[in-house]
Amino acid sequence: DAKTTQPNSMESNEEEPVHLPCNHSTISGTDYIHWYRQLPSQGPEYVIHGLTSNVNNRMASLAIAEDRKSSTLILHRATLRDAAVYYCILRGANFGNEKLTFGTGTRLTIIP
Amino acid sequence: EAGVAQSPRYKIIEKRQSVAFWCNPISGHATLYWYQQILGQGPKLLIQFQNNGVVDDSQLPKDRFSAERLKGVDSTLKIQPAKLEDSAVYLCASSFVLREQFFGPGTRLTVL
Repeated sequence: DAKTTQPNSMESNEEEPVHLPCNHSTISGTDYIHWYRQLPSQGPEYVIHGLTSNVNNRMASLAIAEDRKSSTLILHRATLRDAAVYYCILRGANFGNEKLTFGTGTRLTIIP
Repeated sequence: EAGVAQSPRYKIIEKRQSVAFWCNPISGHATLYWYQQILGQGPKLLIQFQNNGVVDDSQLPKDRFSAERLKGVDSTLKIQPAKLEDSAVYLCASSFVLREQFFGPGTRLTVL
């Protein structure tokens, strides 16, 4: 499985934007970049995913480098509820190789 | 829309005892996953079902763990006999084929 590298932890002030980086230099041409987050004492929650182009949804934005070897999850205005562990995961596009392989993620702390 | 249901939420057993966990996925989701999450780590996939067939069980310790999804809907995961190192949160997730996964709240297992 292609691996991702994320910082162990980050801090951000409430109501400010947060940029969570992820490196995936061994990404294959068909791998999708997925982000999940896990709030304390809960199961992981899907955030966003993309292939080549930048993506936006109601939760976040995903900026993907032109060479696809890195990406950044952007929370536009962090709230205390965004404190969680954020996982960047490469997922195959075909049935049978689409499993999620979680690393240790980035623990995001929001400072009031 | 109802989410993924799991029970029990907590279980404490002694080593060498048996334990079973139950999962009811979101209605219509053909794919069901069981994950093990040890404290401080990301979830690790144990087994993936597509309807009632196994797609991937490469990381399931088959000497003590078993799982079934007989009617292609709900699923059970069993550990027999349990070891101390099985203490973890067991997460169930479901999805439409090749779509984002929805996770349940998990079952926290403590083996004494």
